[in-house]
Amino acid sequence: AQSVTQLGSHVSVSEGALVLLRCNYSSSVPPYLFWYVQYPNQGLQLLLKYTSAATLVKGINGFEAEFKKSETSFHLTKPSAHMSDAAEYFCAVSASGSARQLTFGSGTQLTVLP
Amino acid sequence: NAGVTQTPKFRVLKTGQSMTLLCAQDMNHEYMYWYRQDPGMGLRLIHYSVGEGTTAKGEVPDGYNVSRLKKQNFLLGLESAAPSQTSVYFCASNKGQWRNTEAFFGQGTRLTVV
Repeated sequence: AQSVTQLGSHVSVSEGALVLLRCNYSSSVPPYLFWYVQYPNQGLQLLLKYTSAATLVKGINGFEAEFKKSETSFHLTKPSAHMSDAAEYFCAVSASGSARQLTFGSGTQLTVLP
Repeated sequence: NAGVTQTPKFRVLKTGQSMTLLCAQDMNHEYMYWYRQDPGMGLRLIHYSVGEGTTAKGEVPDGYNVSRLKKQNFLLGLESAAPSQTSVYFCASNKGQWRNTEAFFGQGTRLTVV
């Protein structure tokens, strides 16, 4: 079975600083990985996804993630944080079965300090 | 284009009461899911459906029932609500064509059981 682990339930950065949110996966088959963002009182929105076409994936709002098989990681980064990036971020893996259901990490709350 | 719409957005139930949450999608997606979100636990899959007339159990199905009589609708029922079912519920849909196709989420239903 596939699973993901997010290290750090809360991350605080200053505006303009690098954002790094960590995600490690466990999978016996090639994983299909996603990052979703949840703004307060809203649903989840796709930031980016890994499809095996490229190890560095660019997403919306300046975010990107790098797939590293040797480290079983798919960390999310953004060079310069903006106040509007404050949200909860979820890493997820798509199940290998036919139902395509997602297994989520526990989430990381990002706070951006002025 | 509405995407995924959940009804209601908020609800307070007394212990033992029943209710039905409605999810409607207008994207002609085959796959639909119900998740619950609890603090520090990410999203956990309750039930899912891979097509009209089909349903299956997810990770945390106890105390819930579902039905998918029409392709565009996926209903989640609580027959006898318990305080442990206090949560935020999200519906999602997926075209299901490939493992890396993204899921689209509704805005969520915040349910409190007292």
